[in-house]
Amino acid sequence: DAKTTQPNSMESNEEEPVHLPCNHSTISGTDYIHWYRQLPSQGPEYVIHGLTSNVNNRMASLAIAEDRKSSTLILHRATLRDAAVYYCILSSNNDMRFGAGTRLTVKP
Amino acid sequence: DAMVIQNPRYQVTQFGKPVTLSCSQTLNHNVMYWYQQKSSQAPKLLFHYYDKDFNNEADTPDNFQSRRPNTSFCFLDIRSPGLGDAAMYLCATSRNKGSNEKLFFGSGTQLSVL
Repeated sequence: DAKTTQPNSMESNEEEPVHLPCNHSTISGTDYIHWYRQLPSQGPEYVIHGLTSNVNNRMASLAIAEDRKSSTLILHRATLRDAAVYYCILSSNNDMRFGAGTRLTVKP
Repeated sequence: DAMVIQNPRYQVTQFGKPVTLSCSQTLNHNVMYWYQQKSSQAPKLLFHYYDKDFNNEADTPDNFQSRRPNTSFCFLDIRSPGLGDAAMYLCATSRNKGSNEKLFFGSGTQLSVL
């Protein structure tokens, strides 16, 4: 199974941009890169996903490396409500297996 | 409005006493998943239904079973809960199978085993 590698934790200051990295060197050509986040005591929440091109939505941006072996989730202005565990997942035929994720702390 | 609903939010059972967790969805999605999440760990996929087709993960214990009587409902049955089965159980749906599909999660059921 393709796997992802993320830092265990990151810190950010409120209202500053946050770049959350993910390495997925074994990605196959049909794998989509998904990001979910999980706030305390809640189920995971979809953030964004993409295949090859960079993607933007109201929550975040996804920057995908040209060789697709890494990607970066960008939160343009972190708020206290963005404090969560962020999971980078490779989706193959919708087999969504979560890695360990990055715990993001946002400081006021 | 909640689209994937899990009841109850908290469930307490006794060691060895069968327990059923329920999940319903208003999205009319074809695929429903069950994940187990232990404290400070990532969610772990147990199994999923694509319509009526059941797909079990290779390392899911036999103690865990699932039923999907119709499109809207899916149940997780734990036949003989052990202390190690205490966890958050998450239900999720997707419209179809495919690596481009998004998952929609419920809020989870926190299971305690006494």
